[in-house]
Amino acid sequence: EIVLTQSPGTLSLSPGERATLSCRASQSVSSSYLAWYQQKPGQAPRLLIYGASSRATGIPDRFSGSGSGTDFTLTISRLEPEDFAVYYCQQYGSLCTFGQGTKLEIK
Amino acid sequence: EVQLVESGGGLVKPGGSLRLSCAASGFTFSNAWMSWVRQAPGKGLEWVGRIKSKTDGGTTDYAAPVKGRFTISRDDSKNTLYLQMNSLKTEDTAVYYCTSVVVTPTLDYWGQGTLVTVSS
Repeated sequence: EIVLTQSPGTLSLSPGERATLSCRASQSVSSSYLAWYQQKPGQAPRLLIYGASSRATGIPDRFSGSGSGTDFTLTISRLEPEDFAVYYCQQYGSLCTFGQGTKLEIK
Repeated sequence: EVQLVESGGGLVKPGGSLRLSCAASGFTFSNAWMSWVRQAPGKGLEWVGRIKSKTDGGTTDYAAPVKGRFTISRDDSKNTLYLQMNSLKTEDTAVYYCTSVVVTPTLDYWGQGTLVTVSS
């Protein structure tokens, strides 16, 4: 099983700042089958990024993904108030596993 | 518009059984790989298992904690996904989400979830 470790656990930033979230895999994620999800309280997760760097339909271009192999990054270029949420990475190259999440909170 | 609506959650005693359903609409259900993902209260996301489309073999895969106890099935004539949960444990308490692979190669649509509570 591929284990995904996200860092930091909590990230405290202000609106307008840049956010950088990390996801590290215990072994290489094949074909960059890595996705990112956003979850707000009381809601289902929403797909943001798939294939490590492709934005899902309707996702603003301030969200971008990068990386390959075992190291992946989600960047939010300029935080909007609605971006404060929990973010999960997920690999789907070998069945499916999720990271433990990064909580992005308002500073 | 894609819609996934789960039902069947509730309170069940340890060792008991429960069957969840997920009614799908807005896409060609028979072509879609479907998965269940759960989230224990205050915790992160955990993949439960998936079923491929019949065109791709209709086979199932499960996460280790539920293998042998949970069974995923589908009825393409009813556009419905099922999760049969047997020998339930307190640690199975979670919101269970139905998810589909429709446009992208991964879980791009999610239902709102149904809560399963396993407690005596």
